[in-house]
Amino acid sequence: DQQVKQNSPSLSVQEGRISILNCDYTNSMFDYFLWYKKYPAEGPTFLISISSIKDKNEDGRFTVFLNKSAKHLSLHIVPSQPGDSAVYFCAASRTGGATNKLIFGTGTLLAVQP
Amino acid sequence: KAGVTQTPRYLIKTRGQQVTLSCSPISGHRSVSWYQQTPGQGLQFLFEYFSETQRNKGNFPGRFSGRQFSNSRSEMNVSTLELGDSALYLCASRSSVSRGEQFFGPGTRLTVL
Repeated sequence: DQQVKQNSPSLSVQEGRISILNCDYTNSMFDYFLWYKKYPAEGPTFLISISSIKDKNEDGRFTVFLNKSAKHLSLHIVPSQPGDSAVYFCAASRTGGATNKLIFGTGTLLAVQP
Repeated sequence: KAGVTQTPRYLIKTRGQQVTLSCSPISGHRSVSWYQQTPGQGLQFLFEYFSETQRNKGNFPGRFSGRQFSNSRSEMNVSTLELGDSALYLCASRSSVSRGEQFFGPGTRLTVL
């Protein structure tokens, strides 16, 4: 049962344009969502997060949008740079309890073409 | 602050052997989680430790175990290795006051032959 889904395995974007990565979830109990970036042979690097009480969070070139009714979130990268080329994972968790395990999507490989 | 460190970075074992992986969290972080990454399954939660107690366990067989020490360092052990255990094992630490952000180490690449 895949509770967090990233339906696009890959995305190719021109440098300077917008990259939009999408993520869907099924468990309405999730209340905190995160995006990670991962290069090969390295651990995931935390990018940005959003609480379920918000619908948008922005940090520099990165903006995450949350649509709770649709159980959908997206990561926008503007402008895209070649160094952004990596695998992007969305993750979800239920906070407030004794544990905060992250449920990850399967990742989207972003390629930013110069 | 130094980041999460994991040792060893690479490991080759044969079927039936056991292995122990080590993780040192970010200083001050008391929560340590372990994840397995494989091409087919993505990142799967193994277990989480906080103050030397296991707080949650993922859907993995009993061959996978872990522990946490009083200095928050953690180890995971896999006994009777199988070919399917070949994966990148990632450790992540979290601050007690964070909402959910976990910070990952570089991982240990385990290959089972």
